[in-house]
Amino acid sequence: ETGVTQSPTHLIKTRGQQVTLRCSSQSGHNTVSWYQQALGQGPQFIFQYYREEENGRGNFPPRFSGLQFPNYSSELNVNALELDDSALYLCASSVSLQVGYNEQFFGPGTRLTVL
Amino acid sequence: EDQVTQSPEALRLQEGESSSLNCSYTVSGLRGLFWYRQDPGKGPEFLFTLYSAGEEKEKERLKATLTKKESFLHITAPKPEDSATYLCPNRDDKIIFGKGTRLHILP
Repeated sequence: ETGVTQSPTHLIKTRGQQVTLRCSSQSGHNTVSWYQQALGQGPQFIFQYYREEENGRGNFPPRFSGLQFPNYSSELNVNALELDDSALYLCASSVSLQVGYNEQFFGPGTRLTVL
Repeated sequence: EDQVTQSPEALRLQEGESSSLNCSYTVSGLRGLFWYRQDPGKGPEFLFTLYSAGEEKEKERLKATLTKKESFLHITAPKPEDSATYLCPNRDDKIIFGKGTRLHILP
């Protein structure tokens, strides 16, 4: 059984640029969630995708957007990068629509640095 | 505002020195919680789900308990490999993580 994978591992961008992060769900999981984790903080929920549609969103602006594909892999896109976007971005998959009610399995994360 | 507060923020123990970590919740209608451990620069790893007050779960040296508004993670005779940040988000459609407790076990 393959776990959750994310790419790239690290990324350096400059302010104003756009970035795409990728995630492959654990086998058999149909729901993907994305989190932002700043240094020394807990993860913050960005949004969740179920059956290729956004199904729940945290307190993040529209420049954070995503996609889920038929094979349940997912992308997180961030436009107009700001310095405060520097963080570890985590993808998590689960088997249920009600993501907050079932354990999630996290990938290793993508470390984004915005200069 | 709904919050998950973890204490202490950091804890240093000698190998074999037992202790407890605490999570308190100011969320309305707590429906249980999860415990995760997170190693530096990695994603959280699932440990336990606790569904209701009075429930307990154990795994190796870890034991998690839940009251109506608090959860405790008891670590018995810890080893250096137990060093990690421990997180306890609520179990709800609005999942909230606290800052975590950074646990360091000295050999």
